[in-house]
Amino acid sequence: QVQLVESGGGVVQPGRSLRLSCSTSGFSFSSYAIHWVRQAPGKGLEWVAGVSHDGNKKYYVDSVNGRFSISRDNSKNTLSLQMDSLGGDDTAVYYCARAGCSAGSCSRAWFDPWGQGTLVTVSS
Amino acid sequence: EIVMTQSPATLSVSPGERATLSCRASQSVSSNLAWYQQKPGQTPRLVIYGASTRATGIPARFSGSGSGTDFTLTITSLQSEDFAIYYCQQYNNWPRTFGQGTKVEI
Repeated sequence: QVQLVESGGGVVQPGRSLRLSCSTSGFSFSSYAIHWVRQAPGKGLEWVAGVSHDGNKKYYVDSVNGRFSISRDNSKNTLSLQMDSLGGDDTAVYYCARAGCSAGSCSRAWFDPWGQGTLVTVSS
Repeated sequence: EIVMTQSPATLSVSPGERATLSCRASQSVSSNLAWYQQKPGQTPRLVIYGASTRATGIPARFSGSGSGTDFTLTITSLQSEDFAIYYCQQYNNWPRTFGQGTKVEI
């Protein structure tokens, strides 16, 4: 079955960096766009970044553009998020979420499925 | 950025009743609209995509409608497992954006 498993979360001081990973299995990873979505404690969902199936196109929400970098390794079926200059507003559960349809089937896609998430806490 | 506005923020419904949730986009998103369900401590779960297509495993009591800027999620005959927060999301434009959520409570 399709699985997405995030890792790399933890407690980090303001201004420091953290790298998240999302390991996937059960589908043709290189055929799907994939995203990071976060949820601050008690708050709603916020899309953070997305990358095309081949890694050539990357998109970011304004609040992280220039600080976060999304990447993928299609040989290892893995997605990453490098987060630099972290601040308190970045405290959240970070989910990876796959596009709901493959690149060959649609150009715009919903998110399905989602991983279980990894918690990032930015605190001194 | 397309702003997604959901209403109401909280919907109090009795089991067996109908729930109607609204989502409005600040500009047209065509039919590129999804609904997700999230229960406390759980991962979001896809309910509807393409504005009106039920995701795999979603019961027929869930239905979605609308296109352009105005969308509706209807849950007929609410069951206990349906009480949750529901988010709409547009995937027509970058950045992808979510509504703030509607909590469906007993």
